[in-house]
Order: sequence, then C-alpha cells, then structure tokens
Amino acid sequence: GDSVTQMEGPVTLSEEAFLTINCTYTATGYPSLFWYVQYPGEGLQLLLKATKADDKGSNKGFEATYRKETTSFHLEKGSVQVSDSAVYFCALKETSGSRLTFGEGTQLTVNP
Amino acid sequence: GAVVSQHPSWVICKSGTSVKIECRSLDFQATTMFWYRQFPKQSLMLMATSNEGSKATYEQGVEKDKFLINHASLTLSTLTVTSAHPEDSSFYICSARDPGAGTETQYFGPGTRLLVL
Repeated sequence: GDSVTQMEGPVTLSEEAFLTINCTYTATGYPSLFWYVQYPGEGLQLLLKATKADDKGSNKGFEATYRKETTSFHLEKGSVQVSDSAVYFCALKETSGSRLTFGEGTQLTVNP
Repeated sequence: GAVVSQHPSWVICKSGTSVKIECRSLDFQATTMFWYRQFPKQSLMLMATSNEGSKATYEQGVEKDKFLINHASLTLSTLTVTSAHPEDSSFYICSARDPGAGTETQYFGPGTRLLVL
C-alpha cells in the first residue's frame, strides 16, 4: 500500500538557518504530494502541493519539488523564522479518490 | 480559506461511557468528511470516510460498532466513541472536502483530545 516516510524529528534551528525536511514515498500510481503544517493548538493547514513529476510547490518561502526518480518531496526553506515553529506533515493522495496518506510528522523549533 | 471546527476540543470521560465529537464545516458544504486518529509523535491514521446521507466507509482494523459515524447534513459529521476505554485515548481530527475546491483540497479541524480514565 501507499506510504510516506519523513525524517525523524525534532529539528531545532536558529533563526535564518536553512531548513530541509526529507520526505520519501511509496505509491502504486502517480500520486499528488502535499506538505501540511500544524501550528500549536490549530488544525493542519495545506502549505504547498505538487501534482506531477518535476512540479515545484511553493508558499511562504517554503519549496518542495516532486522527484519521481527518487520518489521524494523534500521541504526546504532558505531562512527560517521563529514563527515557522510547527509540526510539518508530508502526505500523498492517489490519483483517484480523496484519501490522504500522511508521514509521521516532523516537529520544527526555531530559536531566536 | 475554509474553516472546519470541532467540538469539544478536550474531553475526559470515565471508562465505559460514550463520547460524541462534532465536526462542522463553517462556510462550505462538505459532501465528504474524514476522521483521523493521531497518537503522540505519530502520523494521522485515517479511520473512516464519511459521505453525507450514506454509511461511512471504515478503514481496515477500525471497529465500526465502536466508532459510530453519522454525516446527516452537509455541514456536520459526528464521531461517537462507544463504551470508551483507556486505549481509546487519543487525538481525533476531522477534515472536510470542499467540492468547490476540487478533490485535492481538504480542510482540517483543530482536533479533539480524548482522555478515558
């Protein structure tokens, strides 16, 4: 079945540091890929997405590129802020249906 | 963006009692809602898919008689944990699909933390 594997956390960075959170997936078809963010006390919010190979999703300075050859969708940001502290979830959705499969989540803490 | 609410946000109950959790789409009509369970430091696990006006579709290993789902209107789905036991303690999250936003888009509620004593 489908699965998503994220790098283990927690991740602690200083403000303005470079961020990478690795995500790899296993799927039978050609899934859409997502990054969701969960701020403390809030629900998950869609951060960015990519629907086909080589697509790059971007939002709020975050980027991720859909790499079919390596089945990866790594999240990056060039300069993190304290306000980026949250839990980040990588997820996939198969072409048919609405079902999302999530990774384990990665806790990010950014210190001033 | 669209808003999904959950109520209550916290619930503590005694073992053997039943607990109902509500999930509402506040500014759109959700034909499909999803219920997830999240254990500490673990991923969200899909429990069931709820379609308005029809029976929910449960994932393998989820007891449908224990986790009753009702999606009686386009803005409300409820999850009832029947005869709750300590092992049911968890974080329950719902999401709703806005058909006007395409099949890719799900909006998530803030979650309900259940503690069974």
